[in-house]
Amino acid sequence: EIVMTQSPATLSVSPGERATLSCRASQSISSNFAWYQQKPGQAPRLLIYGASTRATGIPARFSGSGSGTEFTLTISTLQSEDFAVYYCQHYSNWPWTFGQGTQVDIK
Amino acid sequence: EVQLVQSGAEVKKPGESLKISCKGSGYSFTSYWIGWVRQMPGKGLEWMGIIYPGDSDTRYSPSFQGQVTISADKSISTAYLQWSSLKASDTAMYYCARHGLGTDYWGQGTLVTVSS
Repeated sequence: EIVMTQSPATLSVSPGERATLSCRASQSISSNFAWYQQKPGQAPRLLIYGASTRATGIPARFSGSGSGTEFTLTISTLQSEDFAVYYCQHYSNWPWTFGQGTQVDIK
Repeated sequence: EVQLVQSGAEVKKPGESLKISCKGSGYSFTSYWIGWVRQMPGKGLEWMGIIYPGDSDTRYSPSFQGQVTISADKSISTAYLQWSSLKASDTAMYYCARHGLGTDYWGQGTLVTVSS
């Protein structure tokens, strides 16, 4: 089973600043990788798939990069609605697994 | 419009059985993997298993193999997650989700509470 490790666990950022979240896979997953956002009481929402492609309706301030084992989600200018928990996930081979999440909160 | 609509919240006692559902609409139900994700209170997301309704190919995460059963009825575009004997530790929110380009559509979640 591939283990996904996210860092940091918590990221405190001021509105308008940039946020950079990281995710590492325990073995290469090519670009079979996604990022999700989850707000309290809501289902997760797909942000990025294929490591770098924004899902439908996702604002351009969200960008993903990386391949192999190292991946990054960048939120260029944090808006109030972006404070949430972010999860990475691979879908390279079964079982798919999520990272443990990064909480982005207001500084 | 793609939608996944899950069955309502359940309150059960330990040892009882349960089957929850997820009805897909707005897309070809038989052409996409659909799976179940567990989220225990205050915790992260865990894939439980997936099924391809087109041929019923089903896969389980090791942690959930033998603990739950995933099935689908393609005639009514509905996927299921079932337990034969619930435990208190099964208390969680359960999401169904479609895997297309990434896991792109999610149900609203079904809260399962197991308590004596």
